[in-house]
Amino acid sequence: GIQVEQSPPDLILQEGANSTLRCNFSDSVNNLQWFHQNPWGQLINLFYIPSGTKQNGRLSATTVATERYSLLYISSSQTTDSGVYFCAVVLDNYGQNFVFGPGTRLSVLP
Amino acid sequence: GAVVSQHPSWVICKSGTSVKIECRSLDFQATTMFWYRQFPKQSLMLMATSNEGSKATYEQGVEKDKFLINHASLTLSTLTVTSAHPEDSSFYICSASPDPYYGYTFGSGTRLTVV
Repeated sequence: GIQVEQSPPDLILQEGANSTLRCNFSDSVNNLQWFHQNPWGQLINLFYIPSGTKQNGRLSATTVATERYSLLYISSSQTTDSGVYFCAVVLDNYGQNFVFGPGTRLSVLP
Repeated sequence: GAVVSQHPSWVICKSGTSVKIECRSLDFQATTMFWYRQFPKQSLMLMATSNEGSKATYEQGVEKDKFLINHASLTLSTLTVTSAHPEDSSFYICSASPDPYYGYTFGSGTRLTVV
C-alpha cells in the first residue's frame, strides 16, 4: 500500500536552534506539500514542492523525487514554530487526494 | 487568493442529533472538495471526495449514510454527521484547490464534540 513516513516523530528544540524534518514516500508523486498545524488545529500550507528546492524566510524545503524523499529545514527556530508538521503527497496513480504522513511534533522551548 | 472557509469552527451536540459543516471556496470555483477527519494526536485521514453535481466518493470504512455530503454548487460543499455519537467526536477539515498543480488549501477545521 501507500507509505508516507516522517521522522523524527517528536522533536524538542531550544529557541534559536536549527532542525531538519524528513518525509519518505513509497512511490512517485505529482504533488507534495508541507503543512504546519498550529495548536488550534489550523493547517497552514508551507510549501508546494513536488521537486526541487524552495525557501520562505527561515523555512526551506527540498524534494528529491527520484529518491522519494523531502526535507523541511527550520532555521533559528521560534516558539511560534511549535506544532505538528505534516508532509502530504498525491501519488501519481491515486488521483488528487492527499495521503498524509504521521507528522512530526515540534516543541520549541524559550 | 485560494481561500477555503469552513464553518462552524467548533460545535457541541447531543448524541442522536445531526450536525452540518460547511466548506466554501471564497475566491475560486471548486468542482472537487475533500473531507478529512483527524482524531487527537493522529494524522489526517481522507473520508470522502465531494464532486459538484454528482455523488460523493467515500473511502473504505466510511459510512456514506452517516456522513452525508452535498456539493450543490461550485463554491460550497457540506458534510452532515447524522445521528452523531461520541465516537464521531473529531476534527473535520475540508480542502480544495483552484488548480491542483499549484497545491491545495485547507479550511480551518471544525472540532465536533458529541456528548
